[in-house]
Amino acid sequence: AQSVTQLDSQVPVFEEAPVELRCNYSSSVSVYLFWYVQYPNQGLQLLLKYLSGSTLVKGINGFEAEFNKSQTSFHLRKPSVHISDTAEYFCAVRGSGGSYIPTFGRGTSLIVHP
Amino acid sequence: NAGVTQTPKFQVLKTGQSMTLQCAQDMNHEYMSWYRQDPGMGLRLIHYSVGAGITDQGEVPNGYNVSRSTTEDFPLRLLSAAPSQTSVYFCASSFQGGANYGYTFGSGTRLTVV
Repeated sequence: AQSVTQLDSQVPVFEEAPVELRCNYSSSVSVYLFWYVQYPNQGLQLLLKYLSGSTLVKGINGFEAEFNKSQTSFHLRKPSVHISDTAEYFCAVRGSGGSYIPTFGRGTSLIVHP
Repeated sequence: NAGVTQTPKFQVLKTGQSMTLQCAQDMNHEYMSWYRQDPGMGLRLIHYSVGAGITDQGEVPNGYNVSRSTTEDFPLRLLSAAPSQTSVYFCASSFQGGANYGYTFGSGTRLTVV
C-alpha cells in the first residue's frame, strides 16, 4: 500500500518570490514519483517525474523537485514564480513493481499575487 | 496529436437518468483509468483497465460501469445518476512499461446531477 500527503492545501505567494510545495509519501516498495499541474478548468499535465538516478529532477516551466528517500519526501520548488503559475499541483506515487496504479495527493492550490 | 479525448465537456442529468462518458486515446496506451475530482478530495480512482477486455475496480466504483472492447476506447457508464455523482470526471492513460510512466489526462467532463 502507498499513500501521499500534501502538507499544504493552499500556498499564497507574491510574484517573483520562491515557493516550495511539500509532498511526503509512504510505501513498502521502491517508488516512482510525479508532480502534476492543473490549470483552471483543464486536465492534469505532467510537470516532472523521478524514476531513478539523480535525486534532483527538473521539469517544465522552471520547476524542480528533490527526492529524499530518508525523509520520504518529494518537494516541488521554483525560485521565482509568475502569475501564470497559479494552479492546483498534485503529487503522485506509484510502486516500481507491477502495479500501474498511482496514488494522488489531495492537491495544493498555489495562488500567486501580483 | 489528439492525446486523450473526453466527451462531453459538460452534462446535466436528472436523478435516475443514465449516461455514458466517452474516453478515447490515440497513443496505443495499454493502461486507461477513470478518476473523479471533488473539492478537497483530490483524485479518486473509479475503474481502470490494463488492456482490451480487462477491467478492474478502483477506490470508488459503486454506481459506475466500464468496458474496454478496444485499446483506444474506455467509456464510463452511470447506471442511475445520483446527486452524489456530481463531480468532474477525468480519463487518463499511460504505457504500462518503458521509460515514460507518466499519465496523459483528458480535459475532463463536468457532470451535474439534479
